[in-house]
Amino acid sequence: KAGVTQTPRYLIKTRGQQVTLSCSPISGHRSVSWYQQTPGQGLQFLFEYFSETQRNKGNFPGRFSGRQFSNSRSEMNVSTLELGDSALYLCASTPGGGSGNTIYFGEGSWLTVV
Amino acid sequence: TQLLEQSPQFLSIQEGENLTVYCNSSSVFSSLQWYRQEPGEGPVLLVTVVTGGEVKKLKRLTFQFGDARKDSSLHITAAQPGDTGLYLCALRRTGNQFYFGTGTSLTVIP
Repeated sequence: KAGVTQTPRYLIKTRGQQVTLSCSPISGHRSVSWYQQTPGQGLQFLFEYFSETQRNKGNFPGRFSGRQFSNSRSEMNVSTLELGDSALYLCASTPGGGSGNTIYFGEGSWLTVV
Repeated sequence: TQLLEQSPQFLSIQEGENLTVYCNSSSVFSSLQWYRQEPGEGPVLLVTVVTGGEVKKLKRLTFQFGDARKDSSLHITAAQPGDTGLYLCALRRTGNQFYFGTGTSLTVIP
């Protein structure tokens, strides 16, 4: 069974640009969540999608957005990139929307903003 | 103020040594999870502890949940280089939104 797949794995963007990251959850998983990981702030929750609806949102500015498609695949977008957006962006999936499910992480997308 | 404080932040030990890392909070939580993140990969769930005073073992790893459910520890016996990684504790806030601790970066030197 394939794991959570994130693309691209590495990318470099210039300040002011925008970026879109993609996540394919484990087959059959309907919940997808996104996290940002930096050395200073650690692992922080961005948002969660379930059945194409955003269920929860972390404390990030509106430049960070996401969506989920009918096949459960998800994308997140960051507009007007800032140097501080350089981070590892992790996607995670779970089978359903309830608690008690194990969460499975992808390998992440490394974003560097220059 | 961090909801979950982990200590130590960094730990470098020789292969074969024992170690304990801690996860503390000023709040009571209903359950706690421990993850290990290896370089270049996402975190992987190791264990979930639910009951105050609970002890769970996973091979050489022993996890304990404090009686008051405000702290937890992870003890590794006879550490091996394969144990190297970032150890994170986490609690579930709502749905599949998790709050992660500050992390302990462990290096086991052969």
